[in-house]
Amino acid sequence: AQSVAQPEDQVNVAEGNPLTVKCTYSVSGNPYLFWYVQYPNRGLQFLLKYITGDNLVKGSYGFEAEFNKSQTSFHLKKPSALVSDSALYFCAATGANNLFFGTGTRLTVIP
Amino acid sequence: NAGVTQTPKFRVLKTGQSMTLLCAQDMNHEYMYWYRQDPGMGLRLIHYSVGEGTTAKGEVPDGYNVSRLKKQNFLLGLESAAPSQTSVYFCASRFRGSSYEQYFGPGTRLTVT
Repeated sequence: AQSVAQPEDQVNVAEGNPLTVKCTYSVSGNPYLFWYVQYPNRGLQFLLKYITGDNLVKGSYGFEAEFNKSQTSFHLKKPSALVSDSALYFCAATGANNLFFGTGTRLTVIP
Repeated sequence: NAGVTQTPKFRVLKTGQSMTLLCAQDMNHEYMYWYRQDPGMGLRLIHYSVGEGTTAKGEVPDGYNVSRLKKQNFLLGLESAAPSQTSVYFCASRFRGSSYEQYFGPGTRLTVT
């Protein structure tokens, strides 16, 4: 079965520290990979995507993600966390006509 | 552009009642999707459409029907609501093509009692 896994339900990090939100995927072929963010009572917002090329992808709000084909991972990173980064983050991978989503990781940045 | 809009924003139904959720997009996207979001389960695809007049089942289609009579609208229907359909429903759309980036609506919170 094709799937996306986010092994951590919750990640806590102090403001100013680097953050990492983990994602691994099990999808056939060479899927495109995405990160979305969801703020309370809002829809999902696109952060960044990997299609091909450089393994480090830069996105919105200072976020970046590192693609690792051998480990089938696509971890979200930010060098210095802000309190306003606190939200629910979803990793996704392309299927035939749709996206497979992970279960989400709630990021809390502690002042 | 309004992007992707959903109506209503909130709804409470009694078991057995029916309703229709409306999704509208003004970006001329070919593909449209309906997801449900439940705690600890992420987003699960209910139905999707790759163009006007076409629909297809997703991961959790039972108890739902959809229609895409116009390119800009995608309707999700519940014929006989059940408590298990209490959820937050999201609509999304995208261009046909290689990007696959989906644009999401703000969601509809449905409670079935």
